[in-house]
Amino acid sequence: NAGVTQTPKFQVLKTGQSMTLQCAQDMNHNSMYWYRQDPGMGLRLIYYSASEGTTDKGEVPNGYNVSRLNKREFSLRLESAAPSQTSVYFCASNGQLGNSPLHFGNGTRLTVT
Amino acid sequence: GENVEQHPSTLSVQEGDSAVIKCTYSDSASNYFPWYKQELGKGPQLIIDIRSNVGEKKDQRIAVTLNKTAKHFSLHITETQPEDSAVYFCAAPRGDNFNKFYFGSGTKLNVKP
Repeated sequence: NAGVTQTPKFQVLKTGQSMTLQCAQDMNHNSMYWYRQDPGMGLRLIYYSASEGTTDKGEVPNGYNVSRLNKREFSLRLESAAPSQTSVYFCASNGQLGNSPLHFGNGTRLTVT
Repeated sequence: GENVEQHPSTLSVQEGDSAVIKCTYSDSASNYFPWYKQELGKGPQLIIDIRSNVGEKKDQRIAVTLNKTAKHFSLHITETQPEDSAVYFCAAPRGDNFNKFYFGSGTKLNVKP
């Protein structure tokens, strides 16, 4: 089992460019999440998908869109990148509606210049 | 909304000493409290968790205590080793939406050999 796999590991964008961060899990989990991690601020939830076919906003959704492509895959899209979106992005999944451990990928480090 | 405060932000101990990290939360309906360890360049990984129906849980050198009345929970690491050096995060879900975890801002633990 690979667990949660994120691609790419690193990315540099210019302001206004777009990109999609990919995430896949092989644990048959129902719920998937996107977090961003900034120094001194812990992890903040961007969007989540409680089950295939549903998505909901987290704490900081502005500037992002998501797609739950199937049970395994959950992508995060930046339509017009801004320097404030420079961060490390983590995808996670868990098997129940909350109340169970999150399994994280190893992150995508994004720099927007 | 839910707020999780974590202290201290940095902690330096001598190998073999104990380390304690504390978190407080505001949502009285939260009922699941995980702790994650994050090593450099990797995603957070669950090390121990506790549910609200117990006050303490141990796993070898690691323990978590929960005080629901005071709304705080703590991570205790005994006989610390250099490989315990990492950033540790606490988390708690919102009581009205268990998919929405709120994370503490992290504690950087340095174990000096």
